[in-house]
Order: sequence, then structure tokens, then C-alpha cells
Amino acid sequence: GAGVSQTPSNKVTEKGKYVELRCDPISGHTALYWYRQSLGQGPEFLIYFQGTGAADDSGLPNDRFFAVRPEGSVSTLKIQRTERGDSAVYLCASSQSGGPTGELFFGEGSRLTVL
Amino acid sequence: GNSVTQMEGPVTLSEEAFLTINCTYTATGYPSLFWYVQYPGEGLQLLLKATKADDKGSNKGFEATYRKETTSFHLEKGSVQVSDSAVYFCALLDYGGATNKLIFGTGTLLAVQP
Repeated sequence: GAGVSQTPSNKVTEKGKYVELRCDPISGHTALYWYRQSLGQGPEFLIYFQGTGAADDSGLPNDRFFAVRPEGSVSTLKIQRTERGDSAVYLCASSQSGGPTGELFFGEGSRLTVL
Repeated sequence: GNSVTQMEGPVTLSEEAFLTINCTYTATGYPSLFWYVQYPGEGLQLLLKATKADDKGSNKGFEATYRKETTSFHLEKGSVQVSDSAVYFCALLDYGGATNKLIFGTGTLLAVQP
């Protein structure tokens, strides 16, 4: 597609369950980012991939969160043993390269609700 | 650490009014600065940017000037339209070593009434 695609758009789960969120970046974009946006807040950085490798995962809040990008394209954010505090909109973005442009293309997000 | 502070909303204006949304930053050095916009039902998109002091970014009638003296990057538009109703986010780029991330403010909701 032309833009960044995220699925599912909406996910409701119960506390303690495992969740996967998928991101399909713009074709040819080598850099991919995950952010989390809580209600009334700006997006917070989680992790940055350059190609297949996680160049910076300093924003992951704890070891329940993990992300992969095995072929340098699609990425999956995985959350284990979900907690109510994980409820947020998870945003994925891509950029053509990992250079210092700051020009990211965002998807519409996956809204996660943990009951 | 690096941070961005922007004025709280919501900001409610009548069509054709003048808009200012304040943004200040704290950072080491002189990072690139950005305004992103999120229209209802859409993803965040870049509105404008400035990469060094005294640069002016502009797009769609919006402008912002990088002021290092006041560490500010205020967003302005001379005459807003209903279609400008959205949430506006100020951001700075934290880049260096393995780091390549945008640090966002909390966002300002703009509602323009006809």
C-alpha cells in the first residue's frame, strides 16, 4: 500500500493475555519506529529498527515488551502478560533511511485496551 | 534530558482568526524541531520542520521559527480554516550514536468554528 499499515486497528484483551501488533511500513523504507500514545499525551518512543536490527530499544518499558523485524520490512510488537496500564494507542512509523531527518510517516495506530 | 513543552488546549477559534500555539524545548545542543499534525481519524503527519537556529519552517500557511535565544518554536497561522481543526504536536529530534527518536510534546487540540 501507499502508507504505513497497522493491524489490528483495535484490540481488546484481558489482563495477563499475550498480544501481537503488526506494522507494514512503506515499501523501501529501511527505518521503522514504534511509539506509544496514552490518552492526552504525545507519542512516546519505544524502539527503532534500522533494517532487521533494533538499533535503539531504550524506550521499551520492561521485558514484557518485545519487537521484531525479521526480514527488514514488516514488524511485530509483542506484549506478554498484559496489564491495564498497557492500554494505549501503539503507533508505527517508517522513514526512508535512518538519517537525522525526523521525517516519519505514521500509521493510524493500533488501539489496545486491556480489561 | 531533552523535552518539549507546549501550550495546553483546547484552543477554540473562529474561522479567519490568527493562531499561535506555543512550544518551548530543553535540549543539549541545537536539535531539529518539528510540528506534526493529527487530523481526525488520520495518522500523524509532518507539517513543517526547521533544522537550525533562525530557520523558518512553513507549509499550508503555517509557519514556525527556530529561536535559540528563547528555545522556542511557536506555530502560527494568519487565518485559520475549519479544516485546520486537529491536534498539533511539537517535537524535537534526539539523534546521535544509536539514538534516532522524536520527543513529542503533549499536543494541542485546535477547534476552528465557522
